[in-house]
Amino acid sequence: RKEVEQDPGPFNVPEGATVAFNCTYSNSASQSFFWYRQDCRKEPKLLMSVYSSGNEDGRFTAQLNRASQYISLLIRDSKLSDSATYLCVVNAGGGADGLTFGKGTHLIIQP
Amino acid sequence: GAVVSQHPSRVICKSGTSVKIECRSLDFQATTMFWYRQFPKKSLMLMATSNEGSKATYEQGVEKDKFLINHASLTLSTLTVTSAHPEDSSFYICSARVRGRSYEQYFGPGTRLTVT
Repeated sequence: RKEVEQDPGPFNVPEGATVAFNCTYSNSASQSFFWYRQDCRKEPKLLMSVYSSGNEDGRFTAQLNRASQYISLLIRDSKLSDSATYLCVVNAGGGADGLTFGKGTHLIIQP
Repeated sequence: GAVVSQHPSRVICKSGTSVKIECRSLDFQATTMFWYRQFPKKSLMLMATSNEGSKATYEQGVEKDKFLINHASLTLSTLTVTSAHPEDSSFYICSARVRGRSYEQYFGPGTRLTVT
């Protein structure tokens, strides 16, 4: 059974803090990995793909450990606008499959 | 970026009626579209994969006779919830895979269905 598990939330952090999310996936055949962001009652939007070598996009850093089947997302210098639910997402197949979503971690940035 | 639209954005219907939801890729061709469902405070769950010109592939536990999917063109897929019941009330979201870019999926804004 395909599963993606994430840290339980919510995370309440002060503005400017660094926050880290973790995620594990059970399907060792998974091929591609993403972090999506979902605002309340909205559709998910791609935040960033996750590559084996690790990748960074501004204040966001994502890392993948295939051996441990572990994915992480680090947000530095958090902003109020970062408040959202962050979804760890895995695509098990060769692009033809739908995505498998974690339940998400709710982040609340406090002023 | 690629744009996906859904219509309607919200719908309220009576139990026993059918509801059709449209998903369109506005500026690209989508050979594959996906339908997801999200219950409150739950993760998105894949319902079915819709390939243009062929029958949809349904996930385990999703009734194909209840959730009819038609993918008649490279830019349009429809989901019809037949004989809707209150437990079908949910947020339905489609996504479209960009032709030739297998790992990119773009999501529609979702349709909130309430069955009374």
